[in-house]
Amino acid sequence: GAVVSQHPSWVICKSGTSVKIECRSLDFQATTMFWYRQFPKQSLMLMATSNEGSKATYEQGVEKDKFLINHASLTLSTLTVTSAHPEDSSFYICSALLATYGNEQFFGPGTRLTVL
Amino acid sequence: SQQGEEDPQALSIQEGENATMNCSYKTSINNLQWYRQNSGRGLVHLILIRSNEREKHSGRLRVTLDTSKKSSSLLITASRAADTASYFCATYGAGSYQLTFGKGTKLSVIP
Repeated sequence: GAVVSQHPSWVICKSGTSVKIECRSLDFQATTMFWYRQFPKQSLMLMATSNEGSKATYEQGVEKDKFLINHASLTLSTLTVTSAHPEDSSFYICSALLATYGNEQFFGPGTRLTVL
Repeated sequence: SQQGEEDPQALSIQEGENATMNCSYKTSINNLQWYRQNSGRGLVHLILIRSNEREKHSGRLRVTLDTSKKSSSLLITASRAADTASYFCATYGAGSYQLTFGKGTKLSVIP
């Protein structure tokens, strides 16, 4: 149990286009999900906290108009990278909070975004 | 701000040897967790140690926590080539659901 999926697993897009990444909790409901970004050979950096039915909370330095987060249901959060640029190329990982399991976060497998 | 700081940043050992990675953090925590990440993949949760625990074991893993020094160590005994990965510590702040990750240790186990 407690499986989190992400789609797509990798995506290549042209500069200026928008890319949507989905994060789903497959066998549990998650009112809270988190989005992280990981650049090569670096650690995970929290981008934003996604709350079902309300606006996401963004970390300092993360542009909310560029990284649109929608948590429309208890099992799905989406991250849209708008007007992507090469510097947005990164590994994006989501996690879902399982409240009944000590508030542990379960991580998705990540999405590799490459912007040409 | 980033809390956990792992050392060493990179570690290369022979198969069968033990690997020790250390993590330090800056503020009070409820618990500390260790994760493994294979190259280009997601995170695998290894072990959680609560702030009132000093040591915890899980298979070949041994984690210690010293809250007075704000540090933790992860020991992998009898390492295998399959243990090659990056290892991260992560902490929840008191009253927070947000995880803060350390910079990680890249472990290479040579067959």
